[in-house]
Amino acid sequence: DTAVSQTPKYLVTQMGNDKSIKCEQNLGHDTMYWYKQDSKKFLKIMFSYNNKELIINETVPNRFSPKSPDKAHLNLHINSLELGDSAVYFCASSHFYLDRAHGTQYFGPGTRLTVL
Amino acid sequence: GQQLNQSPQSMFIQEGEDVSMNCTSSSIFNTWLWYKQEPGEGPVLLIALYKAGELTSNGRLTAQFGITRKDSFLNISASIPSDVGIYFCAGQGISGSRLTFGEGTQLTVNP
Repeated sequence: DTAVSQTPKYLVTQMGNDKSIKCEQNLGHDTMYWYKQDSKKFLKIMFSYNNKELIINETVPNRFSPKSPDKAHLNLHINSLELGDSAVYFCASSHFYLDRAHGTQYFGPGTRLTVL
Repeated sequence: GQQLNQSPQSMFIQEGEDVSMNCTSSSIFNTWLWYKQEPGEGPVLLIALYKAGELTSNGRLTAQFGITRKDSFLNISASIPSDVGIYFCAGQGISGSRLTFGEGTQLTVNP
């Protein structure tokens, strides 16, 4: 059983298009995240939701909009795609503890986005 | 913001050799995590450390949470070809802060 799943695995699209990536976790976690991994493999957090509430919103273009319909799902919608958006996007989830905020995070398999 | 320096950036070793990599931070962390990422996959948690001085093993892997809380190391003993991948350290600061990742160590094991 997949713990954190993402769809699609690969996404190839033209500049200017709008696309969405979906993430689901069946671990019973209450916090979910989106990360971007660039060509140099550097992992950088973009957003985090706890119980459907946005708690981390890094400096990303407002073309990126996360949506959390429930605790088990966190989707990422990207408007007006640009060449620089090409990267691998990872979803992750964790429990949120007061004394160890964000807990240990478990990652999905990633979505490789290529913008042509 | 917090920065993590991970070294070395890459390692090329022979099967059977031991490996050591480390991370240092400019500020204190309360939690250190070590992840491994294989090609086409997401990072997978290897070891989690929650207390300064803690030494934890997971099979051939051993990691330590530095006493100063600003560093951690990961050792892999008797490496095998399937150890190939990118190893990331990650740290969590005080309550409410996010996970910060190191730049990764690319490990290549020659049979």
